[in-house]
This record gives sequence, structure tokens and C-alpha cells, in this order.
Amino acid sequence: KNEVEQSPQNLTAQEGEFITINCSYSVGISALHWLQQHPGGGIVSLFMLSSGKKKHGRLIATINIQEKHSSLHITASHPRDSAVYICAPRSYNTDKLIFGTGTRLQVFP
Amino acid sequence: EAQVTQNPRYLITVTGKKLTVTCSQNMNHEYMSWYRQDPGLGLRQIYYSMNVEVTDKGDVPEGYKVSRKEKRNFPLILESPSPNQTSLYFCASALRGEVHEKLFFGSGTQLSVL
Repeated sequence: KNEVEQSPQNLTAQEGEFITINCSYSVGISALHWLQQHPGGGIVSLFMLSSGKKKHGRLIATINIQEKHSSLHITASHPRDSAVYICAPRSYNTDKLIFGTGTRLQVFP
Repeated sequence: EAQVTQNPRYLITVTGKKLTVTCSQNMNHEYMSWYRQDPGLGLRQIYYSMNVEVTDKGDVPEGYKVSRKEKRNFPLILESPSPNQTSLYFCASALRGEVHEKLFFGSGTQLSVL
């Protein structure tokens, strides 16, 4: 079983829809990163969470440490949000990042 | 502009020919790291460094070397590349311990080993 599970693996949406991407992990963590990778390959860091909730523009990230679960929400999705979204918890014991395999999002006009 | 610069962007080489991929950051970050990305496997950490002269193995360090002689540079060395090291490589840096800690990634190096 993978230490980090993301769902769904693939997601298709119409412009304007509310999007939720989920991340579950099995190890104790000190923090969790959400990353965005566009088709060109570049990776951008969206959030780092150690508790609670963060918001940036139309993006909201939440984490529940006790339940070992994090979510990334996109409100009013737009075609430019089409990308792969990657969850990356940092292990409390090893201090290493553990990556999910990503959620591929396509938003159509 | 705050950035992580990785070179080269593309590299084709042959088995056994030593190569170095350079990584430099201009943000005075203590933490730097190397990752490889393969289809179906996602990103995996190769090596990381918490500060100058401090390096540690990630999950897939075999066949790779790194050095951290200066804070800004963290080169990845493949002493004797093999075809299974064909991959997309990313370097990243971060200021650890900040409330708004953020990873900054280089633009990637697509390596093909023939």
C-alpha cells in the first residue's frame, strides 16, 4: 500500500465548477505540501500546511492531522487550472517528502 | 527575481559517460533537494541538503552523488550513467521552518541515457 494516496487520479470539470482533490497518508507528518505541475512540466508550490486551513485566491487547502487527510479545493474552476496536482507530506520521522502520484485535472470551457 | 536555475534543460548522453546537472538558487535557502520524476512513479527524492557540507540520502540515491560546498549550489553528479537513470530531474530549494514555507523548483532537466 502506498504511503500517500490521492483521489481521484483523473478529474474532468466544466469551467466554473467547484473542484476537490483528496490526499490520504499513512505516516506521521510534520507538514504537507500541495504542488501544481502544468503540461510544460514546471512545478509550482501552492501551499504548505501543518494544521488547519489556508486560502490563496480561488484555492483552499485543508488538513486534518488526526485523520491523516488533506484536501485541495478550487472554487470557480478555469481552464488555466488544468494541471497535475501533487500532494507531498513530510515524514515526521525521516524529514523526507513523500509524494503522491498526482491528480490530473482538465477544466473545459 | 527569486529563482532556482537548473542546467542543462535537455541532455542526451551514453552509458558510462560522467555528467553533472547544475542547480543554483539566489534566495539564500539552506535546504536544497534533488528529485526524479518517472511516469507512473511520480516524484522521488534522490538527495537533500539541510545546509552547507550537510547532505543526506533520499529514497533513490543509488548511482548519484551530490555536493554542497556553497549555500547557493547543489550539483547532481552521475559518475557512470545507465539507461535506468533516464528521467526528468528537478532541483528545489526552501527556507525551512517558516510558517509560509514554500518549495521553489527549477525548470527541470530531461535526461536520456542511451
